[in-house]
Amino acid sequence: DQQVKQNSPSLSVQEGRISILNCDYTNSMFDYFLWYKKYPAEGPTFLISISSIKDKNEDGRFTVFLNKSAKHLSLHIVPSQPGDSAVYFCAASPKRSNYQLIWGAGTKLIIKP
Amino acid sequence: SQTIHQWPATLVQPVGSPLSLECTVEGTSNPNLYWYRQAAGRGLQLLFYSVGIGQISSEVPQNLSASRPQDRQFILSSKKLLLSDSGFYLCAWSAGLAGVNEQYFGPGTRLTVT
Repeated sequence: DQQVKQNSPSLSVQEGRISILNCDYTNSMFDYFLWYKKYPAEGPTFLISISSIKDKNEDGRFTVFLNKSAKHLSLHIVPSQPGDSAVYFCAASPKRSNYQLIWGAGTKLIIKP
Repeated sequence: SQTIHQWPATLVQPVGSPLSLECTVEGTSNPNLYWYRQAAGRGLQLLFYSVGIGQISSEVPQNLSASRPQDRQFILSSKKLLLSDSGFYLCAWSAGLAGVNEQYFGPGTRLTVT
């Protein structure tokens, strides 16, 4: 049973436009959410996170939105750059856990010049 | 600043051979340590995690084992590799503090079992 779902295996966006990556979760016990970026043959890199007490968190070109009622979060990248082409993973952490992350399957983002 | 090392970067091993992958972390103390595997085109599967020396928890029954002989050293082993053990293995660490969930990954090891 996939508790964290990234339903789009891939997404193609024009350079300079907005990239929106989506993630859905089923477990209401999740209270912390993270996004990671991964290039081929490298380890994932932490991008941005959000606590369930917030609905938005920004860091430069990256913004994460959390809709708890819909159990949905999204990562917005504005403007998209060629270096953003990578696989993006969404992960969630249950309450009172400081070790466990539940991972989505990833979305491959392709930025077209 | 913290740094995580993994080696080797790539490894080709025959079926039935042993395996030892090593991971070390610098610049932090008492980290939580993790071993993940990413199969081709798939997400990250947690294999083992450790909250302290000698403390190992296994998430998935398998042909692999893990050990933590020192605070910042984590080793993934197998006595006899299977074809299904092929994949990209990632070591990660986190601060081990309540409410701090971010994990930081090493560069990974590409294992091909032939």
